[in-house]
Amino acid sequence: DVKVTQSSRYLVKRTGEKVFLECVQDMDHENMFWYRQDPGLGLRLIYFSYDVKMKEKGDIPEGYSVSREKKERFSLILESASTNQTSMYLCASSLYRELAKNIQYFGAGTRLSVL
Amino acid sequence: GQNIDQPTEMTATEGAIVQINCTYQTSGFNGLFWYQQHAGEAPTFLSYNVLDGLEEKGRFSSFLSRSKGYSYLLLKELQMKDSASYLCAVRAIGGYQKVTFGTGTKLQVIP
Repeated sequence: DVKVTQSSRYLVKRTGEKVFLECVQDMDHENMFWYRQDPGLGLRLIYFSYDVKMKEKGDIPEGYSVSREKKERFSLILESASTNQTSMYLCASSLYRELAKNIQYFGAGTRLSVL
Repeated sequence: GQNIDQPTEMTATEGAIVQINCTYQTSGFNGLFWYQQHAGEAPTFLSYNVLDGLEEKGRFSSFLSRSKGYSYLLLKELQMKDSASYLCAVRAIGGYQKVTFGTGTKLQVIP
């Protein structure tokens, strides 16, 4: 089974802190994604990566950055956390194969509260 | 860009059948996914449609009409454990396999 592991289930941080959210997958997937999920807004894509050291902005990248130094690990960085970044953060990974489903597999999520 | 629309909430009775609709607008359609998400848990893959027609998998079926920009998820013989949010997601050609999710439909199954 595919396993996507997020380092923390719950995090509480203060405004202005630098926050790292870590995600590791064990299936050698090329693609990795970071989403945030808010009531009434659904899952929104922050950043994704299709290869080591490669990244693409999603729909809401402002205030975030990412790092992918190794294929299995994708980190989301909040350079200076703000209260409007309080949310559930979900990491996902998928294969990249032409003409295939390329299902996304999700981690359990990190609920971040910024005070 | 993409626009995906699905109902916010639905209620259905245990043992019944429920249909959750999803309409979308996209340029260069390249597949539609349905995911299930129980409260406090990660979304899990349910079904995938890329060609018109019905895909059946046990109690769950998913239908796609590309010309109408329409899909539905059909759940038969509803069980209490089917109470969850159901997310419709659309993939467009290009874009490195990213998908756009709808806001989800929260289904409550009642006895």
